[in-house]
This record gives sequence, structure tokens and C-alpha cells, in this order.
Amino acid sequence: NAGVTQTPKFQVLKTGQSMTLQCAQDMNHNSMYWYRQDPGMGLRLIYYSASEGTTDKGEVPNGYNVSRLNKREFSLRLESAAPSQTSVYFCASSEVGVAPLHFGNGTRLTVT
Amino acid sequence: AQSVTQPDIHITVSEGASLELRCNYSYGATPYLFWYVQSPGQGLQLLLKYFSGDTLVQGIKGFEAEFKRSQSSFNLRKPSVHWSDAAEYFCAVTLRDDMRFGAGTRLTVKP
Repeated sequence: NAGVTQTPKFQVLKTGQSMTLQCAQDMNHNSMYWYRQDPGMGLRLIYYSASEGTTDKGEVPNGYNVSRLNKREFSLRLESAAPSQTSVYFCASSEVGVAPLHFGNGTRLTVT
Repeated sequence: AQSVTQPDIHITVSEGASLELRCNYSYGATPYLFWYVQSPGQGLQLLLKYFSGDTLVQGIKGFEAEFKRSQSSFNLRKPSVHWSDAAEYFCAVTLRDDMRFGAGTRLTVKP
């Protein structure tokens, strides 16, 4: 029972490079989320997908794009990484929007 | 604007002492309320949730929380803290689809 799986676990990018963070859940959840966690700021919502085929901006969407590839997968793309995007990224899923979230173990991204 | 506030960045308590972590929210309507815990290097785990009904809710690991509508608060409590409770605690709220988190309170437990 894997739950929410994020890849990669760690990544170092140079400024301007692009990358995609992958997330998959095996709980048949409808809603999926991407958060970033920075010291002293808690978790901030980047994008979410309330159901397959829909995506919406959260609190801090600038510099990111997302794709809800199917019900299981929700990817986060950085087109041109900046040092301000150095953070720990968490993917989460829930059965419906108001249900508790199930989190992946995070991706630690450093942009130099 | 919608917001979730955890006024205490860091709290230190002695093992066996009681604990209260504060959470206040500012939303146009009463949101759904949650507390999560994060151990170092891990994702977040749900402690408890409040949707409606009894304003005192019980969670895992001996935690409870009380919803007070008049104060827009949802404080987390534990009668006797164990060393293994040292972690970061996050209050979270949602009205529909976008769960928002407070900045977190880091709990240190002294022997």
C-alpha cells in the first residue's frame, strides 16, 4: 500500500533549468495538491486539482505549471528554475476537497 | 482575506506537562478544521479533524482539540506530553477544495 509517491526525493538545479516533479497516488482519490514548505512559512498551496481534468491556482502559483495526467498522477513543472524556488515540495491527495490530506514524503529541491 | 494563524512559533514543555497549541482562522464561513503533525524529514500526518457537531474532538496519540466559533479558534491540547511528541504541528482549514495551513508550531519536549 504505497499511498502517495513522489519522485525524485532530492534534486539540485541550476538557475534557468527546468524539471518536473512527479506524484502518483493509489487510493483512488479525486483531489490532488502541490505544496511548498519553507521555514517559518508552513505549507503554501501552489496548485490543486479537485478532480481529474481540472486544475486551479493556489496561494503561490507563479513560476509553476501542473498537469493532472489522469486520476492517479499530478505533476508539477518548473519551466525556468529560480533560487526562490528552493524548497521542500509535498504532493498530497484526498478523497474529496474537504477530506483529510494524505501526503507524500516530499522532494527537496535546491536551485543554485 | 482568508488566513490561518498559529501565534506560537516554538513551544518548549517538560515531559509529563500539559500542552496547548493555538490556532485562529479568519474565513467568511466556518471552515473544516484539521491538525497535522510532522516529524523531521517526513510528510504530514493527520491528528484530528472537525467538520461539525461536538466541538471537542478526539484524535490519535491522545490529542484533542476544541472548536470555539466565537473566538474563531481550534486549539490543540494534550494532558501529558511524551518525548515522542516533539515535532512540528500544523493547523489547517478548508472551505471546499484548497486546504490552507498555518505557519506551524515547533514543539520541544524537555526530559
